[in-house]
Amino acid sequence: DIQMTQSPASLSASLGETVTIECRASEDIYNGLAWYQQKPGKSPQLLIYNANSLHTGVPSRFSGSGSGTQYSLKINSLQSEDVASYFCQQYYNYPTFGGGTKLELK
Amino acid sequence: EVQLQESGPGLVKPSQSLSLTCSVTGYSITSNYWGWIRKFPGNKMEWMGYISYSGSTSYNPSLKSRISITRDTSKNQFFLQLNSVTTEDTATYYCASGHYFDYWGQGVMVTVSS
Repeated sequence: DIQMTQSPASLSASLGETVTIECRASEDIYNGLAWYQQKPGKSPQLLIYNANSLHTGVPSRFSGSGSGTQYSLKINSLQSEDVASYFCQQYYNYPTFGGGTKLELK
Repeated sequence: EVQLQESGPGLVKPSQSLSLTCSVTGYSITSNYWGWIRKFPGNKMEWMGYISYSGSTSYNPSLKSRISITRDTSKNQFFLQLNSVTTEDTATYYCASGHYFDYWGQGVMVTVSS
């Protein structure tokens, strides 16, 4: 199976700051990557698919990039409602997930 | 609007079977892929398997001997059965649509304990 290594595991940032979360795949996943946001007690919400396509209704301050084995999620101008956990998922092969990043406000 | 809702027992005894139902509204399960994902205490996520629009299935190799996903198209529901559960199967179970999961149920917490 394809291993997804996500970093950092936790992150503290200020309002208005730009935040970047990264995922590294154990092999080329050919942009078959999604990013999710999950708030406590809620189900995950799709943010990005195909590495860089914004899901319907997701604010444009979220963006995804990358190729091959290296991918990143960027949040521009951090808002209080962005405090959540984020995780990546590859679907090039049977789906596997990154370990998650917990984003808090500084 | 596509909505998914899991249902099933919150407590299962070790060695028994875990059975969950996902009811889908707003979209026919004869289109797309419909899967089960679980989140363990400690936040690790695991894809368990899916059933396709045609009824074919694909399972996580780590679960292949214990898992079955079926469906009832007349009720627009699909089902998870996980056999021979242990305490390691304690998790929150989600149903979701697609290969990347664009719609999720609210999740159901299942505890395996005697």
